[in-house]
This record gives sequence, structure tokens and C-alpha cells, in this order.
Amino acid sequence: GAVVSQHPSWVICKSGTSVKIECRSLDFQATTMFWYRQFPKQSLMLMATSNEGSKATYEQGVEKDKFLINHASLTLSTLTVTSAHPEDSSFYICSARVAGVFFFGPGTRLTVL
Amino acid sequence: AQRVTQPEKLLSVFKGAPVELKCNYSYSGSPELFWYVQYSRQRLQLLLRHISRESIKGFTADLNKGETSFHLKKPFAQEEDSAMYYCALSLNQAGTALIFGKGTTLSVSS
Repeated sequence: GAVVSQHPSWVICKSGTSVKIECRSLDFQATTMFWYRQFPKQSLMLMATSNEGSKATYEQGVEKDKFLINHASLTLSTLTVTSAHPEDSSFYICSARVAGVFFFGPGTRLTVL
Repeated sequence: AQRVTQPEKLLSVFKGAPVELKCNYSYSGSPELFWYVQYSRQRLQLLLRHISRESIKGFTADLNKGETSFHLKKPFAQEEDSAMYYCALSLNQAGTALIFGKGTTLSVSS
């Protein structure tokens, strides 16, 4: 199957700083990638759809100025959490669709102190 | 609005017992339904896709459009089946994401 990687796997930062999370498609090209957020023992909530070469589409209630998404190439999408606060602490997961099947990255655990 | 409902948060069974994880969806169009599994400390991985109609690890699921259901079944549970199971819906439109249910934790004990 297709492989989606994320970096870093975990990050701890101070409140007020910005954190960038990378999502890469290793063996395929992805014009669209999806960013999810998962709280402990809860389901995945779609945050935004990342489109290569154009603006991301954000779900209702997701602050686009806080969660900046850039999809500059067919294999890389980045999510930057700007001015992070403790309530942004969560597990962030990216996904891409190949041949009708959705593949997921391993996730990035963000802890904001 | 499109929605996926998994009514059970936790399902505990003994090894060898039958398992049925329930999933209902709401969507007026022609959906694609999936079951994804997340083992402890691992990424989500595809278990079943309704259009493929195959059995993976002994699990099967049939799409019932009349009841708008896509229940996951296995006749004899194994301890290694213990995991979080998510039912998910795709609108079958280019560029649209999966919509997940809240998930059901399956716990199989000996």
C-alpha cells in the first residue's frame, strides 16, 4: 500500500511558539491531503483539506490563521500551529487517498506547555 | 448532513465469541463505506471497504442500503483483534475526506 509519513512524531513546545508538522507521501503523488485531529480515546476530526498549489479548505470552527496549511508540492503538505496554546495539545494525523483507499500517517503528538 | 454512528463505545467479548460492531450512516447519495482499525500505538489501517466485498482477518461487513448500515462481523473473536475500530464514510467525490464515526473499542479476553 501507499505510505504516508509524518515528522516529527512528537513535539513539545512552549506556549506562544509555532510548530510545523510535515506530511509526506513517500511512494505516490497526492494533489490532496487531509489533516485530522484526534483527542485521547476519541475519533478523528477533520480539520482541513490541503490542495497542492492552492489554498486549503478548512472545516467549520477551525481557525485558518492558527492552523496554517501549505501544500507546495505533490508529496509534501505542512501544518503549522501558530502561537500554540495548551488547548492545541493533541494528536495530528494526515491522510491521502490512493486508488480509492485512504492511507494515514502515523500521527504527530503535540504537547504545548 | 452526513453522519456515521457507532452506538457502542466499548465492546467486550471472550475469545471465540462472535463479534458484531454496529455502524449506521446518513447520506442521501451513493456512499463508500470503510472499516479502519487502530491497534495500540499504531496508525490507522484499512480493514474493509464495502466495494471490495472481501474478508480480512476473518471480518466481513455488508452494506445494507435499506437500513443504512455497515456492521462489522467476525464469527470467532481472537485476542489480537483487540483494537479501536472506526466506521467511515466517503462521499465518493474527488477531494473529499473520510467522515469517521466515534469508534468502538473491542476488547477480547481469554
